[in-house]
Amino acid sequence: QQQVKQSPQSLIVQKGGIPIINCAYENTAFDYFPWYQQFPGKGPALLIAIRPDVSEKKEGRFTISFNKSAKQFSLHIMDSQPGDSATYFCAASNSGAGSYQLTFGKGTKLSVIP
Amino acid sequence: KAGVTQTPRYLIKTRGQQVTLSCSPISGHRSVSWYQQTPGQGLQFLFEYFSETQRNKGNFPGRFSGRQFSNSRSEMNVSTLELGDSALYLCASSLTGAGETQYFGPGTRLLVL
Repeated sequence: QQQVKQSPQSLIVQKGGIPIINCAYENTAFDYFPWYQQFPGKGPALLIAIRPDVSEKKEGRFTISFNKSAKQFSLHIMDSQPGDSATYFCAASNSGAGSYQLTFGKGTKLSVIP
Repeated sequence: KAGVTQTPRYLIKTRGQQVTLSCSPISGHRSVSWYQQTPGQGLQFLFEYFSETQRNKGNFPGRFSGRQFSNSRSEMNVSTLELGDSALYLCASSLTGAGETQYFGPGTRLLVL
């Protein structure tokens, strides 16, 4: 059972556009929602993370919007650049209950064209 | 501060063999997690160790095992390799576990022929 559903699978935007990647989760016990960026040949790197007590968090050009009632969260990339071309993963975890694992979405391959 | 390191970076094995992968976490991090990444299944959790104890295990067969040493370095072992074990194996470290920032290594690319 996939507990974190991510869409779209791939996304192409022009430079300066605002790609939006969406994730939905099922487990209401999840309380930590990070986004990771992965370039080919590299491991995932944390971009930004949010907890359910806030509805939005911004770090530089990256913004997470969080809707607890809908069990959805999304990543917005402002003024996207060709260097943002990568695969993006949303994830979720339950920091209590001794789970100690991240559950990942399937990933979104973003291409930003000049 | 040095990041998470994984060795080797690439491995080619044949079916039936076994393999051991190594992970050195960021200094001071005591939690080490392992993930398998494949194009079809994405990133899947294998197991997590903290202070030499496995605290959680994902839904993988017993052929996949791991351990953690007193210096927090970790190894994972896959016995009786199958073609489907071909994947990128990623190690992540954090101070105490999930619910906080996990830092990933570059991974070990395993190809099983």
